[in-house]
Amino acid sequence: KAGVTQTPRYLIKTRGQQVTLSCSPISGHRSVSWYQQTPGQGLQFLFEYFSETQRNKGNFPGRFSGRQFSNSRSEMNVSTLELGDSALYLCASSLGVGLDTQYFGPGTRLTVL
Amino acid sequence: GQNIDQPTEMTATEGAIVQINCTYQTSGFNGLFWYQQHAGEAPTFLSYNVLDGLEEKGRFSSFLSRSKGYSYLLLKELQMKDSASYLCAVFRGAENTNAGKSTFGDGTTLTVKP
Repeated sequence: KAGVTQTPRYLIKTRGQQVTLSCSPISGHRSVSWYQQTPGQGLQFLFEYFSETQRNKGNFPGRFSGRQFSNSRSEMNVSTLELGDSALYLCASSLGVGLDTQYFGPGTRLTVL
Repeated sequence: GQNIDQPTEMTATEGAIVQINCTYQTSGFNGLFWYQQHAGEAPTFLSYNVLDGLEEKGRFSSFLSRSKGYSYLLLKELQMKDSASYLCAVFRGAENTNAGKSTFGDGTTLTVKP
């Protein structure tokens, strides 16, 4: 079974631009969670989608948004990029029912100049 | 991560045993996960605990005490490839739904020396 895939793997943007990242979960998984990882803040929860609905949201500004499609693929968007948005963005998929294991994708490394 | 504490760094010798501790304060606890993350790579699942006690999985074991808000990951017969960051994550379920949220610790960077 294929793992979680994320595209693109690397991205360079400038301040003020916007960016869209994509995540395809493991086949059969209906939950997709997004995390931001930086050296200073560790792994921070952004949001979780299940069956096209946002079920949980972390403490990030409204510039960070996401959505999930009927095939469980998910996208996250960051508008008006700031230098501090430079990070590794990780997507994790799981079955989405109760306590279950999350499987991470390789991540998208975003650099904001 | 907020309310989850792990040591920042640890060093151990190849072939030895190391214990990485994790303490947490949270309401609505449902489970505790351990992940391994090599530099430049995504976290990979190691183990999880729902009930108190020890879960053994080959060279890796994880222990949980819910009353003390405490867990540890035990790595035996250390190998050089075990040099990585180890993340402790607490899963908190939401009432009446299947939703939940994982909160991660900042990770413990383990260096294994020859």
